[in-house]
Amino acid sequence: SYELTQPPSVSVSPGQTASITCSGDKLGDKYVCWYQQKPGQSPVLVIYQDDKRPSGIPERFSGSNSGNTATLTISGTQAMDEADYFCQAWDSSTEGAIFGGGTKLTVL
Amino acid sequence: QVQLQESGPGLVKPSQTLSLTCTVSGYSITSGGYYWGWIRQRPGKGLQWIGNIYYRGSTFYTPSLKSRVTMFVDTPKNQFSLKLSSVTAADTAVYYCARVDGSGSYYFDHWGQGTLVTVSS
Repeated sequence: SYELTQPPSVSVSPGQTASITCSGDKLGDKYVCWYQQKPGQSPVLVIYQDDKRPSGIPERFSGSNSGNTATLTISGTQAMDEADYFCQAWDSSTEGAIFGGGTKLTVL
Repeated sequence: QVQLQESGPGLVKPSQTLSLTCTVSGYSITSGGYYWGWIRQRPGKGLQWIGNIYYRGSTFYTPSLKSRVTMFVDTPKNQFSLKLSSVTAADTAVYYCARVDGSGSYYFDHWGQGTLVTVSS
């Protein structure tokens, strides 16, 4: 079965750039999206189709996807960005959605 | 403004069937263009996709739960539902319903607030 791998945790200083990776076999051939989830809240879509931002998502959130790795980049990270981030793709071979294990972003 | 709201029992006994309903407001599920999905999150764990359904009835289910999952749509009520049979403690989780992009990317663009279902005798 298809798997997406994320680092369990990433730390960043306020104002710096945070990069969270998501790896999978030939992931660049699939569309990847990213969700932000704060404690006790539902996930929020922050990037879809690799690099598109939904309405209302700050410009500091960006995405890329090539080869075997997709990356969520948060520029000028703010304390409010501290959250869990999940990548997700659709596996057409099994016709199913696949989530990465999640990355806890700490802003310190 | 699309809104989704899960409802159903918060406690289910082992071996019984978990039943949840998602009520959609601000968008008619028969408008097309979107699937409607269920995702769960075990306590302290990551997200697990359960399945998607289109308003005409076509479904996709995750292989690991396929034998126990049924999803269906109630178009007059603008609702869709999930049934998970033969539950065990491993099915204890927060269950989310969500709207799913239907263009082929299948991302979840609107989520409900989630409902905790505990499986316990």
